[in-house]
Amino acid sequence: GAVVSQHPSRVICKSGTSVKIECRSLDFQATTMFWYRQFPKQSLMLMATSNEGSKATYEQGVEKDKFLINHASLTLSTLTVTSAHPEDSSFYICSARDPGGLTDTQYFGPGTRLTVL
Amino acid sequence: SQQGEEDPQALSIQEGENATMNCSYKTSINNLQWYRQNSGRGLVHLILIRSNEREKHSGRLRVTLDTSKKSSSLLITASRAADTASYFCATDHTASKLTFGTGTRLQVTL
Repeated sequence: GAVVSQHPSRVICKSGTSVKIECRSLDFQATTMFWYRQFPKQSLMLMATSNEGSKATYEQGVEKDKFLINHASLTLSTLTVTSAHPEDSSFYICSARDPGGLTDTQYFGPGTRLTVL
Repeated sequence: SQQGEEDPQALSIQEGENATMNCSYKTSINNLQWYRQNSGRGLVHLILIRSNEREKHSGRLRVTLDTSKKSSSLLITASRAADTASYFCATDHTASKLTFGTGTRLQVTL
């Protein structure tokens, strides 16, 4: 199946700093990528839909100024957590749909664990 | 919230037994997908069933879908210790946005 990578896999930062997470589709071009967050032992919650060349679409309750999304190319979307605080500590996962694929399957990255001290 | 409910929340079985997980959702769907997640890792796509399908098989996996009851089930036959993971259903309502269920934590013991 298609491969999606994320970098970094783990990051620890001090409160008030900004953290950038990259999501790449390695063997296909993704016009749309999705960003989720997951708290321990809970389900994934969609944060935003990242659209190549246009603004991201945020889900209700997600602060767009805090979670900046840039989808500058067909293979890369970035999520920047600005002025991170301990409550932003979470597991962030991206996904991408292969528009050339035969099914509507979304391919997920391995996730990034963010810990804000 | 459109989030689906899964039950049971946790399931512990012995190797060789079958595991059944159920998922219910609230609004009409294009398709329903099941994913597996090992602890602290990303999601692995298991199987997709479209709204006009009622049953689908893939190896030891069997998925059913009942759109009239807005529910789906995932059956894992002859479970193995390596099947230990969390399993999530996800519904595709519009524009490929997925809404995930609450998940079932499966523990398969030797």
